[in-house]
Amino acid sequence: QVQLVQSGAEVKKPGASVKVSCKASGFTFSGYYMHWVRQAPGQGLEWLGWINPNSGDTKYAQKFQGRVTMTRDTSISTAYMELSRLTSDDTAVYYCARDGTGGSCLDYWGQGTLVTVSS
Amino acid sequence: DIQMTQSPSSLSASVGDRVTITCRASQSISNFLNWYQQKPGKAPKLLIYAASSLQSGVPSRFSGSGSGTDFTLTISSLQPEDFAIYYCQQSYSIPSTFGQGTKLEIK
Repeated sequence: QVQLVQSGAEVKKPGASVKVSCKASGFTFSGYYMHWVRQAPGQGLEWLGWINPNSGDTKYAQKFQGRVTMTRDTSISTAYMELSRLTSDDTAVYYCARDGTGGSCLDYWGQGTLVTVSS
Repeated sequence: DIQMTQSPSSLSASVGDRVTITCRASQSISNFLNWYQQKPGKAPKLLIYAASSLQSGVPSRFSGSGSGTDFTLTISSLQPEDFAIYYCQQSYSIPSTFGQGTKLEIK
């Protein structure tokens, strides 16, 4: 069965970086784009970008350009999302989600990783 | 960026009720519209993709319709497990954007 398992919660200081991992199983990792979406406490969903695990190509939301980097390691079926220059506004649950077959819907999601930015 | 506006923002209903949630896009998105359900402390779950296609495993009481700028999610007969927050998402252009959510509560 399809599974996306993310790394554990992180606490970071303002100005630091965080790197979240997302290990995929149950499907061909290189065959599906992987998206990253975040959700601040009590708030809605915000899209950060995607990575094509086959080619390594990425597309980021303009808001995060220059601060976000998405990478992958196909040998271990894992995608990564690194966010730099963290501020308190980056405190959120970060999700990876697989791009499904129906026009970039997100058909499977990781369990989420809470990133807390606090001095 | 394409703005997605859901209405209502919250809704109280009873088990067995028929419920409709609306999502409006700030420009035409064809049928690149998806619906998700989120329960507290859980990741969102895909219900409907491409405006009207039911995701595998999702009960048939959920349905979606619309194209262009106006879309609806309908739950034909509410069940206790349906009380949650619902989000629409446009995947027509980057950045993909979500509606603000509709909280469905028990009356």
